[in-house]
Amino acid sequence: DQQVKQNSPSLSVQEGRISILNCDYTNSMFDYFLWYKKYPAEGPTFLISISSIKDKNEDGRFTVFLNKSAKHLSLHIVPSQPGDSAVYFCAAMKKTSGSRLTFGEGTQLTVNP
Amino acid sequence: DAGVTQSPTHLIKTRGQQVTLRCSPKSGHDTVSWYQQALGQGPQFIFQYYEEEERQRGNFPDRFSGHQFPNYSSELNVNALLLGDSALYLCASSFGLADSTDTQYFGPGTRLTVL
Repeated sequence: DQQVKQNSPSLSVQEGRISILNCDYTNSMFDYFLWYKKYPAEGPTFLISISSIKDKNEDGRFTVFLNKSAKHLSLHIVPSQPGDSAVYFCAAMKKTSGSRLTFGEGTQLTVNP
Repeated sequence: DAGVTQSPTHLIKTRGQQVTLRCSPKSGHDTVSWYQQALGQGPQFIFQYYEEEERQRGNFPDRFSGHQFPNYSSELNVNALLLGDSALYLCASSFGLADSTDTQYFGPGTRLTVL
């Protein structure tokens, strides 16, 4: 049972344009959501998070939107840069679960110069 | 400030063997979680250690076991290796346990290949 799904295995955008990565979840007990970025031969790096009591969180070029009724979140990167090329993982957790993360399958983002 | 470190980087074993992977958490962190990332998949939670005890466990068989030491470092042991155990094994550390949204920091992982 895949509780967190990222339906797009890959995404390609031009430098300077917006990248939108999507994620859906099925477990309504999840109340905290995170995005991680992963480069080859490195571990995932935390990017941005959002609590279920909010619908938007912004940090520089990165904004995460949460639609609880649709059980959907998205990560917007504006403007996209070639250095953003990496695999992006959506993750979810229940705050009382002691930081146990449930990950999606990941989306490979390629930003072309 | 040293981040999360894992050893070894790569490991090749044959079916039926046993393997031990090691993790040192980020300075100041006391909680260690282990994840398995199969090729093309997202990381899957194996278990979590806090105060030297296994606190949570994912859907993994008893062949997977672990340990946490007084200095908060941790080991992951896998017995009777199967071909399907081939994966990247990630260690993550954080501070605290209950109601914690403290950012988890991941190590670079150990790539295990079972032949």
